[in-house]
Amino acid sequence: AQSVTQLGSHVSVSEGALVLLRCNYSSSVPPYLFWYVQYPNQGLQLLLKYTSAATLVKGINGFEAEFKKSETSFHLTKPSAHMSDAAEYFCAETQGGSEKLVFGKGTKLTVNP
Amino acid sequence: DAGVIQSPRHEVTEMGQEVTLRCKPISGHDYLFWYRQTMMRGLELLIYFNNNVPIDDSGMPEDRFSAKMPNASFSTLKIQPSEPRDSAVYFCASSRGRDRNQPQHFGDGTRLSIL
Repeated sequence: AQSVTQLGSHVSVSEGALVLLRCNYSSSVPPYLFWYVQYPNQGLQLLLKYTSAATLVKGINGFEAEFKKSETSFHLTKPSAHMSDAAEYFCAETQGGSEKLVFGKGTKLTVNP
Repeated sequence: DAGVIQSPRHEVTEMGQEVTLRCKPISGHDYLFWYRQTMMRGLELLIYFNNNVPIDDSGMPEDRFSAKMPNASFSTLKIQPSEPRDSAVYFCASSRGRDRNQPQHFGDGTRLSIL
């Protein structure tokens, strides 16, 4: 069965530091990959998506992710963390040829002043 | 444009009662998804519809759970009878088109507590 692995359920960074959230996918065919963000008491919002057009994908709020087939990875980065980035982040991939999304367990990002 | 609208935002009820959660998808979206989020199990897909027809309900936990989509602008998820282990946040999401790269748009969820 397909699975998405997010390494680190909690990540803590200082304001202004690099943010790196790790995601590994399992699909053996070219996947569609997504990063979502969830703020407290809200639904998930799309940050960015990979659709094979380019390996480096830019999203909202200064986030970007790089698709690396050799590593089956799709890590999320932001050069400089802001307090408002504190939230939970979910990586997801489409399952097979369906519309179903397989989500990782999520990584909670804390930004320290 | 209005996003996915869910109601109620919070529901507290006693075990054994019927619970109905409601969802209005984004206009023009032909896929609708119901998810459940808990600390233990994360985000789980319960069921999804295409053009109001249920496509995959393999995630529905038991016969106590049922979902309907009578028209393109409304869906319900019903739990009868409810149990304390059903306590979770339930999300509805919608997306457009058969193309798998279309993102799902989520509502703000219904926080359900069964006492």
